Amino acid sequence: DVKVTQSSRYLVKRTGEKVFLECVQDMDHENMFWYRQDPGLGLRLIYFSYDVKMKEKGDIPEGYSVSREKKERFSLILESASTNQTSMYLCASSSGDNSGNTIYFGEGSWLTVV
Amino acid sequence: DAKTTQPTSMDCAEGRAANLPCNHSTISGNEYVYWYRQIHSQGPQYIIHGLKNNETNEMASLIITEDRKSSTLILPHATLRDTAVYYCIVRVVGGSARQLTFGSGTQLTVLP
Repeated sequence: DVKVTQSSRYLVKRTGEKVFLECVQDMDHENMFWYRQDPGLGLRLIYFSYDVKMKEKGDIPEGYSVSREKKERFSLILESASTNQTSMYLCASSSGDNSGNTIYFGEGSWLTVV
Repeated sequence: DAKTTQPTSMDCAEGRAANLPCNHSTISGNEYVYWYRQIHSQGPQYIIHGLKNNETNEMASLIITEDRKSSTLILPHATLRDTAVYYCIVRVVGGSARQLTFGSGTQLTVLP
């Protein structure tokens, strides 16, 4: 089975702190994604990466950055956390071929910024 | 990606089949139908996908009408653990990730 593992399920951080959310996938997938999910707003794409060291902005990249130094690992960084970044963050991955390239999600990381 | 329409909620008795409908009347020829579910406080879980033929896996069956304008997800023997929000999505294979749009979904409640 595909496994997308997010390092932290629940975090509480203070305003202004730098926050790292880590994600690892074990399926040798080329593509990796970070979304946030908020009530009434659905899933919104923050950043995605289609190869090591490659990244592209999604729909809401402001206030976030990412790092992909290894194929299996994709990190989301909140440079200076703010209360409006309180949300559930979802990491996902998919293969780069056209065999349906199903997107698989991790269990989510609940971040509260106080 | 095409828009989908699903009922807001459904109930199903434990052990019975749960049939979840989805309308996607504007689907185009290169769009697949995907189903995910999300149990409260967890990430979306992939269930099944198909293009035009019916599909079955260990979790569910997907029935797509001949005109591809609607589909039904079937959970053959629903259990309490199947209580979740079920999302029907249509997307182009190979399309950009930003095109994965989750609508409101159907809240399925499996009753004992």
